[in-house]
Amino acid sequence: EADIYQTPRYLVIGTGKKITLECSQTMGHDKMYWYQQDPGMELHLIHYSYGVNSTEKGDLSSESTVSRIRTEHFPLTLESARPSHTSQYLCASSAKTGFGDEKLFFGSGTQLSVL
Amino acid sequence: DAKTTQPPSMDCAEGRAANLPCNHSTISGNEYVYWYRQIHSQGPQYIIHGLKNNETNEMASLIITEDRKSSTLILPHATLRDTAVYYCIVRLYTGTASKLTFGTGTRLQVTL
Repeated sequence: EADIYQTPRYLVIGTGKKITLECSQTMGHDKMYWYQQDPGMELHLIHYSYGVNSTEKGDLSSESTVSRIRTEHFPLTLESARPSHTSQYLCASSAKTGFGDEKLFFGSGTQLSVL
Repeated sequence: DAKTTQPPSMDCAEGRAANLPCNHSTISGNEYVYWYRQIHSQGPQYIIHGLKNNETNEMASLIITEDRKSSTLILPHATLRDTAVYYCIVRLYTGTASKLTFGTGTRLQVTL
């Protein structure tokens, strides 16, 4: 099984602050993803990466940015947090299974609250 | 990726089999059916996937109809810890970072 870690688990912060949500995986997966989810609602893909130096916007527009300088690391940054950014952020990475298909492995998420 | 339709909620008694249906009538021949579940605010967890044949692993069984337009996830002996939202996803593997799109899923409540 893949190991994927997100920190912090919970973050409460004031409006206007810059924040970075960390995501790391130890399995050497090339592909990584950020999803956003509000309570009781669907997961929405906001960013993904094919590999180092590759980043793409997801299906849901987000004011956050991401970077992929190392294979194992895919941090998400908000330059100026606002209350509308309050949500849960889930990081994932994917591995091919050898039959042309892929499985996603998710971290535990970061619950962000902006006051 | 093909669209899927799932019932919004289901109940199951503990110890009984939970059968979760999914319709994917627009599926194409090389699209896989994946099932994930999400237990209260945690990250989704992979359960099982298949292409044409029925599949079984330590968590569940996946039954795909012959025409592949629908499938059923079976939890053979549901426990309270199986209470979660279950997502059925149909996805084409393109060899690049094809995206998994999660719908609203089925909220399974396992009761005593």
